[in-house]
Amino acid sequence: AQSVTQPDIHITVSEGASLELRCNYSYGATPYLFWYVQSPGQGLQLLLKYFSGDTLVQGIKGFEAEFKRSQSSFNLRKPSVHWSDAAEYFCAVGARRSNYQLIWGAGTKLIIKP
Amino acid sequence: ETGVTQSPTHLIKTRGQQVTLRCSSQSGHNTVSWYQQALGQGPQFIFQYYREEENGRGNFPPRFSGLQFPNYSSELNVNALELDDSALYLCASSAQDDEQYFGPGTRLTVT
Repeated sequence: AQSVTQPDIHITVSEGASLELRCNYSYGATPYLFWYVQSPGQGLQLLLKYFSGDTLVQGIKGFEAEFKRSQSSFNLRKPSVHWSDAAEYFCAVGARRSNYQLIWGAGTKLIIKP
Repeated sequence: ETGVTQSPTHLIKTRGQQVTLRCSSQSGHNTVSWYQQALGQGPQFIFQYYREEENGRGNFPPRFSGLQFPNYSSELNVNALELDDSALYLCASSAQDDEQYFGPGTRLTVT
């Protein structure tokens, strides 16, 4: 079955500390992978995407993610978080460069401690 | 450049009623997709419209229907509302086969 798992429902990180959000997927075809962020009252914003090539991808707001095919993972990282990063983060997988009909994870809520 | 807008922001309906949600796509975009996001879950794809034609549909019953207009704005209609239809409904617009841009959503509560 096709699925995306984000094992952490909530993560609390101190401001300035590093961050890693986990994402594991099960997908039959070559996956296209995405990370989105959703702030309260806001729509979803694309942070970064992986289609092919270099397995370390850079995104907006200082985020990066690494695709590990052997582990079926696409973890999101940031070296130093800011209070404005507090939001919900979603990992998604699909079979097309266009990102509809994606399979989404349930999200990880990031809480920043001052 | 105007982003994706949705109306209304919030809506409360009674079980069995019908509801229409609206979405204005971003300038230059000809494709609109609709998603349902239940509380504590990721979005679920409902359907997509490209140039006024349905271009893909997720696992939703026929009481979920849509329209896309010549200006590429779109409506989502839900008939015979059920309690489980309570969710955030998100609209996203794009140029075909390109990145989607999401609106802020409509929060629907069915009582």
